[in-house]
Amino acid sequence: AQSVTQLGSHVSVSEGALVLLRCNYSSSVPPYLFWYVQYPNQGLQLLLKYTSAATLVKGINDFEAEFKKSETSFHLTKPSAHMSDAAEYFCAVSDPNTGFQKLVFGTGTRLLVSP
Amino acid sequence: EAGVTQFPSHSVIEKGQTVTLRCDPISGHDNLYWYRRVMGKEIKFLLHFVKESKQDESGMPNNRFLAERTGGTYSTLKVQPAELEDSGVYFCASSQVASGANVLTFGAGSRLTVL
Repeated sequence: AQSVTQLGSHVSVSEGALVLLRCNYSSSVPPYLFWYVQYPNQGLQLLLKYTSAATLVKGINDFEAEFKKSETSFHLTKPSAHMSDAAEYFCAVSDPNTGFQKLVFGTGTRLLVSP
Repeated sequence: EAGVTQFPSHSVIEKGQTVTLRCDPISGHDNLYWYRRVMGKEIKFLLHFVKESKQDESGMPNNRFLAERTGGTYSTLKVQPAELEDSGVYFCASSQVASGANVLTFGAGSRLTVL
C-alpha cells in the first residue's frame, strides 16, 4: 500500500522568504508524485507532478519539487513567498500500475505568509 | 471551459437524515471521481466512474453511500442515513482520459456537516 506523510500541518513564513513544504512517501513500486494546492473556496489545483522523467520538477508560480528516491521524499520549494501563496498544500502519490488518477493524499500543510 | 461544479457548497443535516451531493464534470470528461476529506485528515479516494459505469468503488466506506452517474454525465452521491462521522468535504474530480499525462480537475468540494 502507498502512503504519504506531510511534516507540519502548518508552516509560517515571511513574505520573500524561502518556502519548504515536506513530503515523504511510501510505495512498493516507482510512484507518480503530485503536489496540489487549495486556495480558499476553490478546488484542488495541480502545482506539479513527477512521472519518472526529470527528478527536478518545475510547476506553476515558481514552485518546484525534487524527487529523491534514496530519501523517499518529494519536498516542495519556492525561493520567495508571496502573500498570494497562502493556501493549503497537498502531496499525493499514485501507482502507475493500478491507476494514474487514484491518488493517495497526505494530510495537507497550511502555508501562512506574513508581511 | 467551465470547471467541475459541485453543489451544494455546504449542507448541514441531522444525524439520520439523507443528503444528496451533485457533481457536474467538465463536458466530455468520461472519468469522474469522488474523494472525501474528513476533518483534519487526508483526502481519500471513494470511487471512479468511467461514463456511467463504476470502475472502482473500493474506497466507499459502507452501504450508506450510493453513487450514481446517470447517462454518463453528472453524478450524485447520496448518504442515507447520515452519521456524525460522515462529516467532511466531498470532492469531485474529472478527467478526459484515465492514464498517461492527464490530470484530475477538482471541484471546490461540498462540505457536509452532520449534527
